[in-house]
Amino acid sequence: GAVVSQHPSWVICKSGTSVKIECRSLDFQATTMFWYRQFPKQSLMLMATSNEGSKATYEQGVEKDKFLINHASLTLSTLTVTSAHPEDSSFYICSATGTGNTEAFFGQGTRLTVV
Amino acid sequence: EDQVTQSPEALRLQEGESSSLNCSYTVSGLRGLFWYRQDPGKGPEFLFTLYSAGEEKEKERLKATLTKKESFLHITAPKPEDSATYLCAVQVNYKLSFGAGTTVTVRA
Repeated sequence: GAVVSQHPSWVICKSGTSVKIECRSLDFQATTMFWYRQFPKQSLMLMATSNEGSKATYEQGVEKDKFLINHASLTLSTLTVTSAHPEDSSFYICSATGTGNTEAFFGQGTRLTVV
Repeated sequence: EDQVTQSPEALRLQEGESSSLNCSYTVSGLRGLFWYRQDPGKGPEFLFTLYSAGEEKEKERLKATLTKKESFLHITAPKPEDSATYLCAVQVNYKLSFGAGTTVTVRA
């Protein structure tokens, strides 16, 4: 299957700082990328959908000014958690689909801990 | 509202003891039903996509089936390395909605 690389795999940051997470499709062009959040022992909750070159579409209840998403190229999307607080601590996962594909391939996830 | 319900929440099996996981769904405009495997601290790993009722797919000890209201993931003669959380997701338009998952533990 296609490879999606997410970086970093884990990060610890201080409350009030910003953190950027990268999601790259390594062997295909990702026309659409998705960002999820997963709490312990819960399923994946979609945060936003981004298409290359256009603004991200956020799910209801997700603060777009807090979770900045950029999809500047067909192989890279970034999620920036701005002014992070302890309640933002979670497992963030990206996925990507390519043109004509229905399968979504996932990154390895990023464990964010805000202290 | 689209709903995806997986059962059971957890399943403990002895090595070689076959079993099935259930994913029931209520959606309008289903484009596909997906099964993923997720290991602790990792992203989901794609297993299968099913598109229409009656469709079946197999991969090693796993077999997925689909009806109009539910999907089953059958695990035949499981091994300890099959221990993971199995996630079911339905695709409506271009979005995936996930169930809560079934955590399978296979004891040697």
